[in-house]
Amino acid sequence: DTAVSQTPKYLVTQMGNDKSIKCEQNLGHDTMYWYKQDSKKFLKIMFSYNNKELIINETVPNRFSPKSPDKAHLNLHINSLELGDSAVYFCASSHGGPYDTQYFGPGTRLTVL
Amino acid sequence: AQKVTQAQTEISVVEKEDVTLDCVYETRDTTYYLFWYKQPPSGELVFLIRRNSFDEQNEISGRYSWNFQKSTSSFNFTITASQVVDSAVYFCALKGNFNKFYFGSGTKLNVKP
Repeated sequence: DTAVSQTPKYLVTQMGNDKSIKCEQNLGHDTMYWYKQDSKKFLKIMFSYNNKELIINETVPNRFSPKSPDKAHLNLHINSLELGDSAVYFCASSHGGPYDTQYFGPGTRLTVL
Repeated sequence: AQKVTQAQTEISVVEKEDVTLDCVYETRDTTYYLFWYKQPPSGELVFLIRRNSFDEQNEISGRYSWNFQKSTSSFNFTITASQVVDSAVYFCALKGNFNKFYFGSGTKLNVKP
């Protein structure tokens, strides 16, 4: 059974389009995250939700909007895509407690043309 | 400030050699957690180990071992008798009092047959 899943795995789109990436976890975790991994493999946190409430919101353009319909899902919507948005986006989840380990989804490779 | 430094950008070894990946961290938190993740060429991020700041015991798991030294703020990872399947990017990460993980820039390990 997949613990943290993301769809789609690959996303190729034109500049200016709007797209969404979906994430679901079946681990019963309370906290979910979105990370961006650039071409140099650097991992940067974007957002974190705990029980559907936004708790981390890094310096990310307003074009990026996370949505958590329930604690098992955290979707990422991106408006007006730009070339610089091309990256791999990882969803992760954790219990959110002191003994916290993040488990990552397989990643979504976004290519903006 | 929280920071993780992986000074080795890329390491190449021949199969069966031992290799150590360095990780140095900075934090003002008295309680914190350190992690290692593996990212193979397929792209997913795989959790390897978590270590609590109050537990300085070294850990061994098969060919993997971890050396945690608070005095030098280091959490190094050694692979004994490396294999080609160990080729990956390895990330060290730090979690402090808040729900935020800080990742190092990663070390790419190439194990040649």
